[in-house]
Amino acid sequence: DAGVIQSPRHEVTEMGQEVTLRCKPISGHDYLFWYRQTMMRGLELLIYFNNNVPIDDSGMPEDRFSAKMPNASFSTLKIQPSEPRDSAVYFCASSLGSGKAQFFGPGTRLTVL
Amino acid sequence: SQQGEEDPQALSIQEGENATMNCSYKTSINNLQWYRQNSGRGLVHLILIRSNEREKHSGRLRVTLDTSKKSSSLLITASRAADTASYFCATDHNAGNMLTFGGGTRLMVKP
Repeated sequence: DAGVIQSPRHEVTEMGQEVTLRCKPISGHDYLFWYRQTMMRGLELLIYFNNNVPIDDSGMPEDRFSAKMPNASFSTLKIQPSEPRDSAVYFCASSLGSGKAQFFGPGTRLTVL
Repeated sequence: SQQGEEDPQALSIQEGENATMNCSYKTSINNLQWYRQNSGRGLVHLILIRSNEREKHSGRLRVTLDTSKKSSSLLITASRAADTASYFCATDHNAGNMLTFGGGTRLMVKP
């Protein structure tokens, strides 16, 4: 079975540009999570969805970040405009049920110049 | 502050030795999970232990949970070079449906 799929795997962009990260969760999973990982701050939860509905976006750093889940098999995380401090690895994860094991995608390494 | 805090932050051992990592947390939990992350990869779920369990095994992994001390340990027996990775504990506490991850322990197993 395919795991969580993320694209692109690497993204290099210039400050001020819009960045869109994509995620396809494991089929049948009802929870989807977006995380950001940096050396300084570790792994941070940005937002999570349950049955396509955003439940908690308190981890989203600021209004430049937005996330959508238009259907059960697709989610996007958008940064507009991007800034150098947004450089990090962004992970998408999904789970079947609340508090259960989460399955992570390979991540998108974002570099904002 | 983070719920789960791993200790030590880094650990270096020889192949064949056992590796023990600890995790402490602050408030009551439903379950505690351990994950592994190889360099440049996503996290991989290893094991989940519920709050009413004290010990759990999976292959060479042994996890203990002491809710009175709010701590857990992960033991990897007979370590291999392939076990080199970062290990994270994550707590499912009673405030929502998300996990809170600790800062991780970086394990290096030398061949």
